[in-house]
Amino acid sequence: DVKVTQSSRYLVKRTGEKVFLECVQDMDHENMFWYRQDPGLGLRLIYFSYDVKMKEKGDIPEGYSVSREKKERFSLILESASTNQTSMYLCATTGGLSSGNTIYFGEGSWLTVV
Amino acid sequence: DQQVKQNSPSLSVQEGRISILNCDYTNSMFDYFLWYKKYPAEGPTFLISISSIKDKNEDGRFTVFLNKSAKHLSLHIVPSQPGDSAVYFCAATPGGGDGLTFGKGTHLIIQP
Repeated sequence: DVKVTQSSRYLVKRTGEKVFLECVQDMDHENMFWYRQDPGLGLRLIYFSYDVKMKEKGDIPEGYSVSREKKERFSLILESASTNQTSMYLCATTGGLSSGNTIYFGEGSWLTVV
Repeated sequence: DQQVKQNSPSLSVQEGRISILNCDYTNSMFDYFLWYKKYPAEGPTFLISISSIKDKNEDGRFTVFLNKSAKHLSLHIVPSQPGDSAVYFCAATPGGGDGLTFGKGTHLIIQP
């Protein structure tokens, strides 16, 4: 079974703080993704990465950056947290065609910015 | 422009009956379609998928139908059980390991 681990389940941060959300996958997959989920808006792609040190912007990258220093780890960074970044953040990974294009998600990280 | 649309934000079905969740897409490059199920405070879990070369895929109580000409797919759950109450996301991809494009989700409520 694919295991995607998000280090923090629940965080409360102050406006302007720098926030790190960490994600680790154990399947040696090349592709990793960060989504956020908001009621009525579904799952929106923030950033994704095809390989170490590579990153691509998703649909809503503003206010976020990412880091992929190792294949198994993909970090989402909020440089200066704002209240509109209060959301559930989901890390995901896929092996692409070899895994039937299925994306596997972590448990999610609930971030509240006050 | 929303490429994957789930027009029903919520659906209420009686236990034991059939639940039908619908999804429409606009991008003709989409080649692979997936359904995910999500409970509150948990990450989405993969449920069932279908390739564009098929029009039906069945897995236990879950069946996904694809109508390519109408750019429409649906998820049937028969019989519906209380544990099926969750938010269901339809997703699509051109394939090749790219990120999925998700619909906004349908909240399915199974009533006893």
